[in-house]
Amino acid sequence: DADVTQTPRNRITKTGKRIMLECSQTKGHDRMYWYRQDPGLGLRLIYYSFDVKDINKGEISDGYSVSRQAQAKFSLSLESAIPNQTALYFCATSDEGQVPYNEQFFGPGTRLTVL
Amino acid sequence: TQLLEQSPQFLSIQEGENLTVYCNSSSVFSSLQWYRQEPGEGPVLLVTVVTGGEVKKLKRLTFQFGDARKDSSLHITAAQPGDTGLYLCAGPIGSSNTGKLIFGQGTTLQVKP
Repeated sequence: DADVTQTPRNRITKTGKRIMLECSQTKGHDRMYWYRQDPGLGLRLIYYSFDVKDINKGEISDGYSVSRQAQAKFSLSLESAIPNQTALYFCATSDEGQVPYNEQFFGPGTRLTVL
Repeated sequence: TQLLEQSPQFLSIQEGENLTVYCNSSSVFSSLQWYRQEPGEGPVLLVTVVTGGEVKKLKRLTFQFGDARKDSSLHITAAQPGDTGLYLCAGPIGSSNTGKLIFGQGTTLQVKP
């Protein structure tokens, strides 16, 4: 069974629509992250959370919002999707005990296309 | 601002060849990690190097951390088609435990049978 799951795996939507991407984990980690991946740009951090009451912006948070519903669940929302948000989105987790290396465990990704 | 630059960005080789991928920065990192990402999947951690000059081996993969902790390399001996994928280096942001990683842009490796 996968430790970090993401739903949906693929989504095609139209400009202006609200979209939610969901992430669940069974690893028992406190820390969760959302990244987007674009060709040639690596992974860029959108938001991260160290526990249910701790939410932080990453380097590219504009146009996105998140919700940490429980230790195991972290959702990413695009309030009004635009074409340049077309990308591969990854959720990741990290164990606070991994300090200071911050080794991360990734979900399988969601491929989002905004038309 | 800490940056990690990988080279080359794309590499296509024949099965059995050797290759090296580089990850460079002008900043000092307390550690560096290497991940491999296969199509349709998320990145998977291969190794973490933590000491300047450290060399770690994982079967045919050899990872080295530079003496000054500003760079790292990944050498693959006798590449196999199963080595095909995107290789990413990453390092912790900041001098203290920020809990965040910065990633290089990745090296896409294609190993042809």
